[in-house]
Amino acid sequence: SYDLTQPPSVSVSPGQTARITCSGAALPKQYAYWFQQKPGQAPILIMYKDSERPSGIPERFSGSSSGTTVTLTISGVQAEDEADYYCQSADSSDTSMFGGGTKLTVL
Amino acid sequence: QLQLQESGPGLVKPSETLSLTCFVSGGSISSSGYYWGWIRQPPGKGLEWIGSIYYSGSTYYNPSLKSRVSLSVDTPKNKFSLKLTSATAADTAVYYCARHQHYYDSSGLLTATFDYWGQGTLVTVSS
Repeated sequence: SYDLTQPPSVSVSPGQTARITCSGAALPKQYAYWFQQKPGQAPILIMYKDSERPSGIPERFSGSSSGTTVTLTISGVQAEDEADYYCQSADSSDTSMFGGGTKLTVL
Repeated sequence: QLQLQESGPGLVKPSETLSLTCFVSGGSISSSGYYWGWIRQPPGKGLEWIGSIYYSGSTYYNPSLKSRVSLSVDTPKNKFSLKLTSATAADTAVYYCARHQHYYDSSGLLTATFDYWGQGTLVTVSS
């Protein structure tokens, strides 16, 4: 397996753009996924196969991939977006792994 | 709407076996292309995938836990279960069950993620 590295925290003001990165050696060959988790709740899948939004996820959430880094972008951040965000992927031996998580603070 | 619900003891003694069951409703556990997985989250920490099982019994395990983990599936009762042996305080966590999409797409790339989750259940390992 391999590690997925995320910044521990990101802070933005309401209305600004938040970018959360996730780096991993196998990401050029494997899809990445993003989850949002609010306190006391189960994670929710918010980005699928690098850049696809599941049904019901607001358009302000987008994803991109470049080399060994994938990025979750939240445009026009709202107070309700304050949460922990986790990237997730899998390797060629079908082992799944999560990044360490990023706490998004809306100032 | 698919729903998953974890069930099991909230307190386990050290060295004993942690056992949990996930009941699936609103869909069949025998659906093609879907594994059924377990993920845990120690208090205040991140997510860790434990393992996943297909309705046929095929399994994938986290290498770091493989020696202590056993998964099983009961298709008539639409449920699957986790057993983690030799529990220690480090196994204290919220345990989630989830549907695990797992297939190779038209590009030949692996699609593997968790799209439906249970609410989670806290298991504390303590004497």
